[in-house]
Amino acid sequence: QVQLQESGPGLVKPSETLSLTCAVSGYSISSGYYWGWIRQPPGKGLEWIGSIYHSGSTYYNPSLKSRVTISVDTSKNQFSLKLSSVTAADTAVYYCARVRSIVVVADFDYWGQGTLVTVSS
Amino acid sequence: QSALTQPASVSGSPGQSITISCTGTSSDVGSYNLVSWYQQHPGKAPKLMIYEVSKRPSGVSNRFSGSKSGNTASLTISGLQAEDEADYYCCSYAGSSTLEFGGGTKLTVL
Repeated sequence: QVQLQESGPGLVKPSETLSLTCAVSGYSISSGYYWGWIRQPPGKGLEWIGSIYHSGSTYYNPSLKSRVTISVDTSKNQFSLKLSSVTAADTAVYYCARVRSIVVVADFDYWGQGTLVTVSS
Repeated sequence: QSALTQPASVSGSPGQSITISCTGTSSDVGSYNLVSWYQQHPGKAPKLMIYEVSKRPSGVSNRFSGSKSGNTASLTISGLQAEDEADYYCCSYAGSSTLEFGGGTKLTVL
């Protein structure tokens, strides 16, 4: 059974960089599949942040592209998210997830439990 | 503002059927048969209910079905049950390996 677990600081100061890691168990990232990050501001809807292939190819939401970096560490079986120059609008629950298809980034079948990141001084 | 438009809320009585719409454009929903639907209970992670417009993952009840016509996709839940009360989100492939979500629909089972 594939399991994902997000980790990282729950509080980040405005203008700083948000950094999260997603540890994957039950499946080797280097074996394939795309992986992704999705966020949800409190009381609001879901927003796709970006996705990464096990080889390192990345795809980002155009609205966040200038501030987002997603990377993968196959040796640790994890992938990471960095979001720079954060503001209060970046306060959200951040989810990591696995893309269901090995062919196209279209939907997510396994999700982490999510981690709340608050941007505040 | 979300790229895909969903009604903010829908409701139905146990045993009834409801349909949630998801309206996009010819650049997303209308161009690809890659619409998915997620169910989210309060405080929980989303759960994939429908993928590729109308396919159900293993373990998802056949009371859930999906369809698409033009730029609008739909999720139908038949035989409503109390546990179906949740938020539902649509998602569409939008080309160049990008995705868009709808704003979400709160389903209330009366």
